[in-house]
Amino acid sequence: AQKITQTQPGMFVQEKEAVTLDCTYDTSDQSYGLFWYKQPSSGEMIFLIYQGSYDEQNATEGRYSLNFQKARKSANLVISASQLGDSAMYFCAMIMDSSYKLIFGSGTRLLVRP
Amino acid sequence: DTGVSQDPRHKITKRGQNVTFRCDPISEHNRLYWYRQTLGQGPEFLTYFQNEAQLEKSRLLSDRFSAERPKGSFSTLEIQRTEQGDSAMYLCASSLATSGSADTQYFGPGTRLTVL
Repeated sequence: AQKITQTQPGMFVQEKEAVTLDCTYDTSDQSYGLFWYKQPSSGEMIFLIYQGSYDEQNATEGRYSLNFQKARKSANLVISASQLGDSAMYFCAMIMDSSYKLIFGSGTRLLVRP
Repeated sequence: DTGVSQDPRHKITKRGQNVTFRCDPISEHNRLYWYRQTLGQGPEFLTYFQNEAQLEKSRLLSDRFSAERPKGSFSTLEIQRTEQGDSAMYLCASSLATSGSADTQYFGPGTRLTVL
């Protein structure tokens, strides 16, 4: 069965520093995609970054990068130069190419300290 | 480019009542999804539409739940005879079918349901 594991329920980071949020996944499929979403207290899920299983380069989007290690089945999110507005829940999610549903982890709450 | 919208944003109802939620996807998106999120958890998939066809339903979607997308644009999710366990955030997402990679699903603000 497919599963996403986020082992950090909560994280603190100092403003302007970098932070890594962990995500490991479990699937026997060869073709899949990995996503990170941000959920502020308002509730909306905001798409941050995507990595396909066949992509050789790690995905980057502005201050966000995805550290994809396929052999370890990990897809960690790195946020550089943290800002106060980065304080939110962060969810890692996976989708199989054979399906349409996103499978989410339980999330990590990030708090950026001034 | 407007995003996904959902209405209402909040709904409080008494146990046993019926409720209906609406989702308007991004205009050119042909795929629409419903998810449910309970406190402290990630969203869980409920159902998926491609245009007006409902192509996948989760086992979470009991016979009290029904979803429609009659003209392939907006969608409604109805819960009949609500129970306290239905209290959750109901999230709608939409995407544009692409070839060669997974669609990116864009989410709406959600409808928070409280069943008393």
